[in-house]
Amino acid sequence: NAGVTQTPKFQVLKTGQSMTLQCAQDMNHNSMYWYRQDPGMGLRLIYYSASEGTTDKGEVPNGYNVSRLNKREFSLRLESAAPSQTSVYFCASSEWTGLLEAFFGQGTRLTVV
Amino acid sequence: AQKITQTQPGMFVQEKEAVTLDCTYDTSDPSYGLFWYKQPSSGEMIFLIYQGSYDQQNATEGRYSLNFQKARKSANLVISASQLGDSAMYFCAMREINNNDMRFGAGTRLTVKP
Repeated sequence: NAGVTQTPKFQVLKTGQSMTLQCAQDMNHNSMYWYRQDPGMGLRLIYYSASEGTTDKGEVPNGYNVSRLNKREFSLRLESAAPSQTSVYFCASSEWTGLLEAFFGQGTRLTVV
Repeated sequence: AQKITQTQPGMFVQEKEAVTLDCTYDTSDPSYGLFWYKQPSSGEMIFLIYQGSYDQQNATEGRYSLNFQKARKSANLVISASQLGDSAMYFCAMREINNNDMRFGAGTRLTVKP
């Protein structure tokens, strides 16, 4: 059971470089999410997609873009990485209804130098 | 906007004792769900327990129970008979029925002492 799969697991970028974090889920969920986790701040929502074809900003969207490629896949792009984007990134998915839990990927540890 | 507050950055508990982790929330939506997740040192997010705003009874899952006080807008996690493997970060989260995003608190680091 794959669940939610994120790639890569680790990445080091230089300031100004771009990259895309990939996320795929095999649970036929409608909603997908991208979070970042920083020490002492919990998980903060970057973007989410309530259903295929829609995306919405979360708490901290600046510096990021997303694409809901299809129902399975939701990617997060950093166009010009900055040291402030050093973080652990989590992708998650859930059914559309707000009253069910979200399932998380293993996370991507990103360092921007 | 919804807001989740966890006021305990760190907690200690003796093995086999019970511990309560606090969570308060703020929402104007009458229909919402409250969630607790565990994050061990390995980093994965593990779903523990869920409480719906219209549920009449407090949720329980094994050694985990949720002390839901709707009027006070609190959803505290109670872990009974703590085990060394319970040492981890614990996050409270909420989703509103009319707002699909899920927001998290800052977390509480629980350490179980032998």
